[in-house]
Amino acid sequence: QKEVEQNSGPLSVPEGAIASLNCTYSDRGSQSFFWYRQYSGKSPELIMSIYSNGDKEDGRFTAQLNKASQYVSLLIRDSQPSDSATYLCAVNRGSGNTPLVFGKGTRLSVIA
Amino acid sequence: SQTIHQWPATLVQPVGSPLSLECTVEGTSNPNLYWYRQAAGRGLQLLFYSVGIGQISSEVPQNLSASRPQDRQFILSSKKLLLSDSGFYLCAWGHRAGYGYTFGSGTRLTVV
Repeated sequence: QKEVEQNSGPLSVPEGAIASLNCTYSDRGSQSFFWYRQYSGKSPELIMSIYSNGDKEDGRFTAQLNKASQYVSLLIRDSQPSDSATYLCAVNRGSGNTPLVFGKGTRLSVIA
Repeated sequence: SQTIHQWPATLVQPVGSPLSLECTVEGTSNPNLYWYRQAAGRGLQLLFYSVGIGQISSEVPQNLSASRPQDRQFILSSKKLLLSDSGFYLCAWGHRAGYGYTFGSGTRLTVV
């Protein structure tokens, strides 16, 4: 079983819709969870972090964490064409010195 | 504020030639440092990470090596490049407390 799994997509949503990106992880001891956005040809950019069960909102972005079910999701409200990118889920399995484990990413395409 | 510098941005090297990529971080001390590689259309592969000067953990030894001669400097090297070394090389730094990483702008390496 892969440590962090994401649907590779592409996920296509119309402009203004809600985009829902999902990620599952295998290590129940995981403590920190992150979402990165990567535009084509660019480096990943951290957009959300979440550490406890529930929802965390930041502007149009909402991260959701359910440790019992071992999944983390990212909702993007009012999707814009500029949101078209690959979204990477990353999980920290332990202490700060343990490297993050990244999923392979989901490609999102927002259609104008 | 913290910044991470990575150079060069692009590099074309012949098979069998040496490689040296450098990454430096400003505005923080004792960072954790990471080298990742992203092959075309693939996920992030962790190559090396370092929690201190001279401390290198290798995830994918192969023909690559890493060094950390100073607290905020991380170098990726190879004595003889292979075609399979082509990819997008990313340096990142992170706090020891387990927060998300910040990536450099990356080096796109093409081995010909």
